[in-house]
Amino acid sequence: AQTVTQSQPEMSVQEAETVTLSCTYDTSENNYYLFWYKQPPSRQMILVIRQEAYKQQNATENRFSVNFQKAAKSFSLKISDSQLGDTAMYFCAFMTWDTGTASKLTFGTGTRLQVTL
Amino acid sequence: DTAVSQTPKYLVTQMGNDKSIKCEQNLGHDTMYWYKQDSKKFLKIMFSYNNKELIINETVPNRFSPKSPDKAHLNLHINSLELGDSAVYFCASSARWPVGAFFGQGTRLTVV
Repeated sequence: AQTVTQSQPEMSVQEAETVTLSCTYDTSENNYYLFWYKQPPSRQMILVIRQEAYKQQNATENRFSVNFQKAAKSFSLKISDSQLGDTAMYFCAFMTWDTGTASKLTFGTGTRLQVTL
Repeated sequence: DTAVSQTPKYLVTQMGNDKSIKCEQNLGHDTMYWYKQDSKKFLKIMFSYNNKELIINETVPNRFSPKSPDKAHLNLHINSLELGDSAVYFCASSARWPVGAFFGQGTRLTVV
């Protein structure tokens, strides 16, 4: 079974600063995908960034980037130039891939990020 | 246009009642899911359907019955509601290629 661990329940960062959220996972699969989702107070789940396990290059989406360390099973999210609108719960998630049928997302317990002035 | 739409957004009901939550996606995805988010914000899968076929059923009481009339719709019916069923329920869909799951806005169910 796959597990996803987020060891930081809460974090705080000042506006315009950089913050890194940690995530580790455990799996015996070779073919999988990793995601970060954002859940603001509106409760909408928003996909922030995705990483294919077979790609060595770290994914980047504007101010969001990941540090994917496959051997260490680590997948951290870096938010640069933090903005007040980044205040949200952030969930790390894992998905396996098999014969063309999407599998389930397994989520971590989340990190609550507060961006302050 | 809303990609994944679920109704209602809020549902308050008494113990013992039966209720349904509806979900529709216009993304053309083959796979749809129901997730439950508890009071501690933990998200856990309940069901997964691929092209109307049940793929995943994760230790969910049989009071919960999903129904997929076509691949664009996945509804959740809950019988004999209990206090512990209070949670936010999310519908989601995913393409055949795992670009990630796309979520509806959630239904906050409160059982009193």
